[in-house]
Amino acid sequence: GQQVMQIPQYQHVQEGEDFTTYCNSSTTLSNIQWYKQRPGGHPVFLIQLVKSGEVKKQKRLTFQFGEAKKNSSLHITATQTTDVGTYFCVGNDMRFGAGTRLTVKP
Amino acid sequence: GAVVSQHPSWVICKSGTSVKIECRSLDFQATTMFWYRQFPKQSLMLMATSNEGSKATYEQGVEKDKFLINHASLTLSTLTVTSAHPEDSSFYICSASRPGQGASNYGYTFGSGTRLTVV
Repeated sequence: GQQVMQIPQYQHVQEGEDFTTYCNSSTTLSNIQWYKQRPGGHPVFLIQLVKSGEVKKQKRLTFQFGEAKKNSSLHITATQTTDVGTYFCVGNDMRFGAGTRLTVKP
Repeated sequence: GAVVSQHPSWVICKSGTSVKIECRSLDFQATTMFWYRQFPKQSLMLMATSNEGSKATYEQGVEKDKFLINHASLTLSTLTVTSAHPEDSSFYICSASRPGQGASNYGYTFGSGTRLTVV
C-alpha cells in the first residue's frame, strides 16, 4: 500500500514561533487528512484536503495540498502552548504518517 | 457529533490469556471501522479494516489468528487479542466514520484507546 512520509519527527519551538510539518507520498493521493494527538490522548480530526493545490485555514493553522496531490503541509503561525502534541497526516488508505511531535516552550 | 466509545480504557492480563476490546459507534452506524496499535512515542500502525458483516481485512504482517476482529453489527466491532504475550502490550485504538461520508468534513472519529499490559 501507499506510504506517507512525514518530517520532521520532532520540533521544539519557542512560543510565538511558527511551525511547519510536511508529508510526502510516493503515489498520488485522492485525499489527505490531518490529525492532532495530545499526549496521552487519541487522534482528533483537523481537516481533509481533496483538491489539487487546495489551501485551507483554521485560525492559525494553514493546510496545503500539493498540485500533484503527493505532498501536503501544515503550518502553525505564532505557536501557543496549547498547540503541543503530535500532528499526523493520513493518506486515503487510513495509514498514518510518522507524525511530528511539537513541543512549545513558554 | 460522531462519538466512538472504546472499552476498556486499560487492561492488565496474564500472559497466555485473551483480551477483548470493544469499539462502539454511539450515535451513528459505522459500516467500516479501523483498528490500530500504537507503541510509545510512535505513530499509529493500521492493523486491520473491519467491515460489518464480513471478514476483516488485515494489514501485512498482522496475524489474523492472534488478533481476531468481529464486526457483527453496525455499531460494534471487537478486537480480541488471543494468547497475549508481553510483546502485545500496546495502545490499541479504533476509528470509524459515518457511512457514505468518509472523512469529508468530519474525519474519522477515534475511540479513546485501550492500553493493554500483558504480564
